[in-house]
Amino acid sequence: DVKVTQSSRYLVKRTGEKVFLECVQDMDHENMFWYRQDPGLGLRLIYFSYDVKMKEKGDIPEGYSVSREKKERFSLILESASTNQTSMYLCASSLNQVLTGELFFGEGSRLTVL
Amino acid sequence: QKEVEQDPGPLSVPEGAIVSLNCTYSNSAFQYFMWYRQYSRKGPELLMYTYSSGNKEDGRFTAQVDKSSKYISLFIRDSQPSDSATYLCAMSEGDSNYQLIWGAGTKLIIKP
Repeated sequence: DVKVTQSSRYLVKRTGEKVFLECVQDMDHENMFWYRQDPGLGLRLIYFSYDVKMKEKGDIPEGYSVSREKKERFSLILESASTNQTSMYLCASSLNQVLTGELFFGEGSRLTVL
Repeated sequence: QKEVEQDPGPLSVPEGAIVSLNCTYSNSAFQYFMWYRQYSRKGPELLMYTYSSGNKEDGRFTAQVDKSSKYISLFIRDSQPSDSATYLCAMSEGDSNYQLIWGAGTKLIIKP
């Protein structure tokens, strides 16, 4: 079974703090994704990566950055957290970019910014 | 107007009922359609994938696409309490998983 592990399930941070969200996948997948999920809105893509050290902006990259130094690990960084970044963050991986290859999701990291 | 619309529910039905979950969309160029299921406090998991129009069946689940009406449906037969979850539709113009546009999800509750 593919496993996507998000290290922090629940975080509470203060405005202006730097936040790291870590994601690790164990299936040697090429692609990794960060989404945020908010009530009443669909999943929105923040960034994705198709290879080590490669990244592409998604639909809402402002206020976020990412790092992929190793194939299995994809980190989401909030340089200066703001209250409007309070959300559920979902990491996903896929074997490749072809749509027939499903996305495998982690269980999510719920971030609250006070 | 959102590109993909889903009734948020909750939709509550008795065990054994046939469930119909729906999404409407505005972009006529969408060709790839997917349904994901998300249990509480879990990540989404792929249920069904269809390309273009028509029906696809997998066990108790049937996915239907009506491109002329810009409408997709997921039917669940003989619904079980274990089907209680939020169902997300997602769709794309092209065959790339980073292009997916997601609905907000419909919460389904199956009452024993």
